[in-house]
Amino acid sequence: AQKITQTQPGMFVQEKEAVTLDCTYDTSDPSYGLFWYKQPSSGEMIFLIYQGSYDQQNATEGRYSLNFQKARKSANLVISASQLGDSAMYFCAMRDWDNNNDMRFGAGTRLTVKP
Amino acid sequence: DVKVTQSSRYLVKRTGEKVFLECVQDMDHENMFWYRQDPGLGLRLIYFSYDVKMKEKGDIPEGYSVSREKKERFSLILESASTNQTSMYLCASFITGNTEAFFGQGTRLTVV
Repeated sequence: AQKITQTQPGMFVQEKEAVTLDCTYDTSDPSYGLFWYKQPSSGEMIFLIYQGSYDQQNATEGRYSLNFQKARKSANLVISASQLGDSAMYFCAMRDWDNNNDMRFGAGTRLTVKP
Repeated sequence: DVKVTQSSRYLVKRTGEKVFLECVQDMDHENMFWYRQDPGLGLRLIYFSYDVKMKEKGDIPEGYSVSREKKERFSLILESASTNQTSMYLCASFITGNTEAFFGQGTRLTVV
């Protein structure tokens, strides 16, 4: 099974600054997708951004961008201009398109934005 | 909007009880998943199903079983609840080939 690693249990960032949340993955399959989800204290899972393994460009969605380095098997999330509402758990996940579409997650990073 | 609904937000059960967690989605998704979420461990895949009556084990299936008799409903069963199954349980669904998975609100299960 594929493995997702998030090495930062917790991160702090000053409001309005940018922050990078790390994610590395391990798979031998060529066709996969990488995801980031946000989980605020309310518990809901909010989809943020997606990167396909064959996508040439890094994905961007508003203040979120995904720094995809395929050779290094990393898919770091960059949040620009942090806001207090960005304080939450962030999960990196991968789906293997060739293997029943199953989806696995990393351990998560708790981001705290300081005013 | 796609809706994934879990039958209970909070549950308290006794050790040894048989526990049913229900998940229903309203958008005809083929794929449905059950995860448990624990601090420091993230979401771990218990079971998933990619069609009616089909099921696949995830990474931590021991002590759990599942049932998918209808496309919209995916049930997680704890055959004999134990205290180490106290956790947050999350259900998710998506269409094959679609990028986004949709999650239920979670069920916080406490086994005493």
